[in-house]
Amino acid sequence: GAVVSQHPSRVICKSGTSVKIECRSLDFQATTMFWYRQFPKQSLMLMATSNEGSKATYEQGVEKDKFLINHASLTLSTLTVTSAHPEDSSFYICSARDRTGITYGYTFGSGTRLTVV
Amino acid sequence: EDKVVQSPLSLVVHEGDTVTLNCSYEVTNFRSLLWYKQEKKAPTFLFMLTSSGIEKKSGRLSSILDKKELFSILNITATQTGDSAVYLCAVTNNSGGSNYKLTFGKGTLLTVNP
Repeated sequence: GAVVSQHPSRVICKSGTSVKIECRSLDFQATTMFWYRQFPKQSLMLMATSNEGSKATYEQGVEKDKFLINHASLTLSTLTVTSAHPEDSSFYICSARDRTGITYGYTFGSGTRLTVV
Repeated sequence: EDKVVQSPLSLVVHEGDTVTLNCSYEVTNFRSLLWYKQEKKAPTFLFMLTSSGIEKKSGRLSSILDKKELFSILNITATQTGDSAVYLCAVTNNSGGSNYKLTFGKGTLLTVNP
């Protein structure tokens, strides 16, 4: 079945530094990638949607200069949290959609727990 | 803006009990409703519902959609401790081209005690 590999699974970084999170689709072409953030006991909040080869579409209230998304190939999308602050500490998770929608369109990565100290 | 409300937010039961989880939604141009199970990390897909009144079933889990009343339920019979998880409900609409982004509810935290 469709698999999305996300790493790192956990990262601790200092305030002011940048962190890159990668999501790779292992056995299908991810034409669309969704990036979510989940706070404790909260729902998954969509941050942005990216299509391969084009700029990401950000949800209202999400700073595009802070959360840089690159979807340069059909198997790799990255989220870079720039100049991280403690309030950016959260669980980040990606979801890939393939062109055919065989997996009903959404295969999730395993998530990245980001802690900014 | 699409909205998904799940209830209850948390539930504690004993093994063998049957549970019903609720999901109500407000969606412009509804496309589908999906249920996921989230344990410690990634949500795993359970069901996708697009038509009213047709029950989807997988083992002890089943789900049904009512598009008139705008809600769905997820039933789990003969619960086991392994069913303990957060159950997420999400909807998609037909807007936004072919991206079909998911809007999630807050989830129901189910705890099954032995």
